Amino acid sequence: AQKVTQAQTEISVVEKEDVTLDCVYETRDTTYYLFWYKQPPSGELVFLIRRNSFDEQNEISGRYSWNFQKSTSSFNFTITASQVVDSAVYFCALSEARAMNRDDKIIFGKGTRLHILP
Amino acid sequence: EAGVAQSPRYKIIEKRQSVAFWCNPISGHATLYWYQQILGQGPKLLIQFQNNGVVDDSQLPKDRFSAERLKGVDSTLKIQPAKLEDSAVYLCASSFGTPLVEQFFGPGTRLTVL
Repeated sequence: AQKVTQAQTEISVVEKEDVTLDCVYETRDTTYYLFWYKQPPSGELVFLIRRNSFDEQNEISGRYSWNFQKSTSSFNFTITASQVVDSAVYFCALSEARAMNRDDKIIFGKGTRLHILP
Repeated sequence: EAGVAQSPRYKIIEKRQSVAFWCNPISGHATLYWYQQILGQGPKLLIQFQNNGVVDDSQLPKDRFSAERLKGVDSTLKIQPAKLEDSAVYLCASSFGTPLVEQFFGPGTRLTVL
């Protein structure tokens, strides 16, 4: 069975500090996809990144970076030089891929609430 | 491009009453999802449609929840009768294809059952 664990329930940092959000996953499949979504106070989840299990390259997008390590089943998310607008709940998610079948579904972690203090 | 629309944004009802939520996905998105997000939890998939057919409703409490997507576009989710534990945010999302691609979420409907 698939499972996503975000052990950090809530994090507070001062603006401009770097912060890392942890995500540990469990799956029996060798082919799977990992996601990060952001949920700002408005409530709409916003897609940030998707990574498949065969691509362990780290990714950087502006102030955001992601570290995928299959050896530790982790897919951590780092925000560099945090800003107040980064305050939100961040969800890590996992989907096991069965040849891109339409019935694949995403399992979300419980989320990490991030507070960026001015 | 217009996003996923949901209404109402907020709803307060008493237990045993009925309630319905509406979702209009992004134009051209064949796949539509309804999620339940209880406070402090991640979204949990209730039902997934591919066009107007149900792909997955394994986590939908079918004794009280129902959903339909007539004509493969708009969708409604109904709860009848509501229980206290149904208090949650109900999120609608859509995507071009499978859940392995980016899903676009609506703002959600916050339901409070008293």
